[in-house]
Amino acid sequence: EIVLTQSPGTLSLSPGESATLSCRASQSVRSNYLAWYQQKPGQAPRLLIFGASSRATGIPDRFSGSGSGTDFILTISRLEPEDFAVYYCQQYGSSPETFGQGTNVEIK
Amino acid sequence: QLQESGPGLVKPSETLSLTCTVSGGSTSSNTYYWGWIRQPPGKGLEWIGSVYYSGSTYYNPSLKSRVTISVDTSKNHFSLRLSSVTAADTAVYYCARQSRAGTMIRAFFDPWGQGTLVTVSS
Repeated sequence: EIVLTQSPGTLSLSPGESATLSCRASQSVRSNYLAWYQQKPGQAPRLLIFGASSRATGIPDRFSGSGSGTDFILTISRLEPEDFAVYYCQQYGSSPETFGQGTNVEIK
Repeated sequence: QLQESGPGLVKPSETLSLTCTVSGGSTSSNTYYWGWIRQPPGKGLEWIGSVYYSGSTYYNPSLKSRVTISVDTSKNHFSLRLSSVTAADTAVYYCARQSRAGTMIRAFFDPWGQGTLVTVSS
């Protein structure tokens, strides 16, 4: 199975700053079949990005995804107070579907 | 909308059973799979398995020997059974709709249910 490693584990930033989150795969993710989710405490994950770079419906354009092969990035420009949360990547290019361990974006 | 239901406490060695009721959509759709994902307290996400309207299933190999997922299109719900549970199976269990993407019949998950905490303890 493909192992996804996210870094950093925790990112401490202030509102208005930009966040860069990394997701590295143990092998190439077929056709960039990679998604990103946001999870707030006590809530279910919410889909942000699919296909490595396509925003899901209703997701603000300050969220952007990039990357290919084994290295993927989620960028959040101009952090809003509601963006402080845990972010997970998920690959669906090969079975079983797997998730990264998460990056916690916290208020500095 | 998806909503999980089932016991919040299960004894070790017994079988965990959950149901996900779908509203505003149909489990009879040939567009989607319907999946279960779990999250142990304070930890990350693990895909358990997914079911198609036809009853076709895919399971995570790490759980395959203990998992059964089924769908009842007449009731518009799908279900999870996990046998021989231990404390390691304590988690929030989510159901979610799984979309197709490109050539992949099972892709990303959207939307998700709110989740239900299942504790394994005697």
